[in-house]
Amino acid sequence: DGGITQSPKYLFRKEGQNVTLSCEQNLNHDAMYWYRQDPGQGLRLIYYSQIVNDFQKGDIAEGYSVSREKKESFPLTVTSAQKNPTAFYLCASSIGRAALREAFFGQGTRLTVV
Amino acid sequence: SQQGEEDPQALSIQEGENATMNCSYKTSINNLQWYRQNSGRGLVHLILIRSNEREKHSGRLRVTLDTSKKSSSLLITASRAADTASYFCATDARQSNFGNEKLTFGTGTRLTIIP
Repeated sequence: DGGITQSPKYLFRKEGQNVTLSCEQNLNHDAMYWYRQDPGQGLRLIYYSQIVNDFQKGDIAEGYSVSREKKESFPLTVTSAQKNPTAFYLCASSIGRAALREAFFGQGTRLTVV
Repeated sequence: SQQGEEDPQALSIQEGENATMNCSYKTSINNLQWYRQNSGRGLVHLILIRSNEREKHSGRLRVTLDTSKKSSSLLITASRAADTASYFCATDARQSNFGNEKLTFGTGTRLTIIP
């Protein structure tokens, strides 16, 4: 089945560690996005990519990094510079430029700092 | 920054009643979309309405768009317990320099349907 897959579902990070969240899609979508959601809050954009080997900072990019080496993959690294990383992270993809078409979401990764 | 703001933040109604949620946004848009999120899950696309459309229907959903007021509403008719979820509006926010566009979400309305 076509879709977008995030892994792992739950992730625990120690203070000072970098962790990488995986996002893979087999929908042949050009655009991919990472959002952060805090409890009871809306989604805030971290990074987005409209095409392979290119990505743009969103509203809260500090402490995060991404790569887009393949069309299917858009991993997010939460670095030690991110002081409050505990949150629910959502990856999404769309067939073309941003809001011209619907976005498809993964099931999310819940990151907890221990 | 949040482009859209949903109102109310939370809504509880009896099963069978209609639920109305509103979304206001700040800048000009191409489209507005509504998404649903079950607790702890990803978002699911419900409906997209273009800036030149005023109303759109999909099953029990009705969306209106008023670009002069920069607002949209989502109506769910004959609500069911399974409609319990958070509902978000999303708009495009055109970047000034590169023509890229990003999808920006509001803060959501938490809808609870009481059986």
